[in-house]
Amino acid sequence: EAEVAQSPRYKITEKSQAVAFWCDPISGHATLYWYRQILGQGPELLVQFQDESVVDDSQLPKDRFSAERLKGVDSTLKIQPAELGDSAMYLCASSLEGWRNREYEQYFGPGTRLTVT
Amino acid sequence: GENVEQHPSTLSVQEGDSAVIKCTYSDSASNYFPWYKQELGKRPQLIIDIRSNVGEKKDQRIAVTLNKTAKHFSLHITETQPEDSAVYFCAASGGGTYKYIFGTGTRLKVLA
Repeated sequence: EAEVAQSPRYKITEKSQAVAFWCDPISGHATLYWYRQILGQGPELLVQFQDESVVDDSQLPKDRFSAERLKGVDSTLKIQPAELGDSAMYLCASSLEGWRNREYEQYFGPGTRLTVT
Repeated sequence: GENVEQHPSTLSVQEGDSAVIKCTYSDSASNYFPWYKQELGKRPQLIIDIRSNVGEKKDQRIAVTLNKTAKHFSLHITETQPEDSAVYFCAASGGGTYKYIFGTGTRLKVLA
């Protein structure tokens, strides 16, 4: 079964440094999501792409976070500069679009656990 | 803004007993309600979902009920087993962006 891929799985960085995460969605999935999951909480949407276009980035701290999906396939999330409060799990998910059957289902990747020291 | 409340935050049950997790959503336009299971260190995985045109859905030991009037939905797990131990998240989605709003999670412990 196809899965969402993410790398790296773990990242330790010092505050003020730049860090980048990569996500490869399931082939054919038009919608891609980046979530932040703080320990003990539910995932919080940071940005949503439909193909290469941003659909929702209302919760993305744009002064330090950026995301791109240039060709509408894989995506990169960047943080610069990283702050201590950015320590969290960063999850990528993808889904087909449409209202039929299970097209709503979001499939999650394994996540990147970021620790900022 | 949109919000999903989830209770309880932790739940311990004896093996074989039932477990119930409840969620309340705020956006009346929500029409899709998935439940995800997340084991320690692993990705969230969909275990069951329900759409707003259905009041109940069952899949073996797992069932979900939806009360659109009250904006409540619940996950029911019967005959719990140790492998059911995990964190469970509810979510609500609707409108044109398919955006999920997640609850804060319930840590379920099934005691052998």
